[in-house]
Amino acid sequence: KNQVEQSPQSLIILEGKNCTLQCNYTVSPFSNLRWYKQDTGRGPVSLTIMTFSENTKSNGRYTATLDADTKQSSLHITASQLSDSASYICVVSDRGSTLGRLYFGRGTQLTVWP
Amino acid sequence: EADIYQTPRYLVIGTGKKITLECSQTMGHDKMYWYQQDPGMELHLIHYSYGVNSTEKGDLSSESTVSRIRTEHFPLTLESARPSHTSQYLCASRASSGTEQYFGPGTRLTVT
Repeated sequence: KNQVEQSPQSLIILEGKNCTLQCNYTVSPFSNLRWYKQDTGRGPVSLTIMTFSENTKSNGRYTATLDADTKQSSLHITASQLSDSASYICVVSDRGSTLGRLYFGRGTQLTVWP
Repeated sequence: EADIYQTPRYLVIGTGKKITLECSQTMGHDKMYWYQQDPGMELHLIHYSYGVNSTEKGDLSSESTVSRIRTEHFPLTLESARPSHTSQYLCASRASSGTEQYFGPGTRLTVT
């Protein structure tokens, strides 16, 4: 069964600190993995997207890694800001359909305190 | 910021009412999607469309219906709203040649 599991479920950090969010998946055949940021009451916004051959991708203070062998990904946030408070969702796409089927994790709810 | 719009953003309505959630995109994308998301839970695909006059049901069974008469417009309708329909509904679109799905801001529906 194609699944995406994220940990931790929630995380509280102080402003300026770094943090790492984890994602494990069983989606096969794998196409790509994305990390989205979803602010409360808003739609998800893409942060990074990685294909099978990529093992790291950065977008400003966000750095995602991918280990396609172990089917694990992480999202590292450096020098956190209050505006980073949001849900971070790991999303995996399979190669098996023209639909571009996406499998969503439940997200990690990050709270940054001043 | 993607050019995909949803209205209304928030809707509180009584049981039994008919409602239509609007979704429109100005990017000319062929593929469009409706997702349902409950708090703290993952997004579930409820409807999708490959293009005009093409609609399919997604993974999660839903009593809602959709139509795709124009490329840019993908409305979702509930004929008779029930409290179990209370949720957030997210619309998304994607170009046929692309991999990125762009999401709208969502509609938060509450049925009392």
